[in-house]
Amino acid sequence: DIQMTQSPSSLSASVGDRVTITCRASQSISSYLNWYQQKPGKAPKLLIYAASSLQSGVPSRFSGSGSGTDFTLTISSLQPEDFATYYCQQSYSTLYSFGQGTKLEIK
Amino acid sequence: EVQLVETGGGLIQPGGSLRLSCAASGFTVSSNYMSWVRQAPGKGLEWVSVIYSGGSTYYADSVKGRFTISRDNSKNTLYLQMNSLRAEDTAVYYCARSKRSWSGKDWFDPWGQGTLVTVSS
Repeated sequence: DIQMTQSPSSLSASVGDRVTITCRASQSISSYLNWYQQKPGKAPKLLIYAASSLQSGVPSRFSGSGSGTDFTLTISSLQPEDFATYYCQQSYSTLYSFGQGTKLEIK
Repeated sequence: EVQLVETGGGLIQPGGSLRLSCAASGFTVSSNYMSWVRQAPGKGLEWVSVIYSGGSTYYADSVKGRFTISRDNSKNTLYLQMNSLRAEDTAVYYCARSKRSWSGKDWFDPWGQGTLVTVSS
């Protein structure tokens, strides 16, 4: 099974900050990597698919990069509505898997 | 509008069974890969099971042999039959469609709103 590890597990930042979240796969997954945002009590929402493609309707301050085993999600200028938990997910294997999540909190 | 609505959650005793349903609108379940993903209280997301458009099914090790994913094409509905339930199966269960690209990559979109399953005596 492919293990996904996110870092950091939690992060405090201020409005306007640039933030980067990292996701590492236990083996190469090419660009079969997706990012989701989840707010309390809500279903996850797709942000980035195939490592770097921005989902329709998602603000351009979100971007994704990487290939192989190392990936990043970057928020260029944090907005109040961006404080949430973020998950990476691999779709390379038949058995999908998620990272443990990164909780982004207001400093 | 593409939408998923889960039902069937509730309180069940350990060892019991429960069937979750996920009604789809705006697209055809049988033409897509469909998954169940769960989230234990205060924890992260855990993929549970997928059914491919061709009918193949796959399960996480944590539920293999106890859970069964299926679909009813006439009702455009996805199911998750959960048997031999344990306390650690307590979670919100989401259904999700896998949107696929021409290159074979896929991602979960949309998701349902989730249904809570509580396994407790």
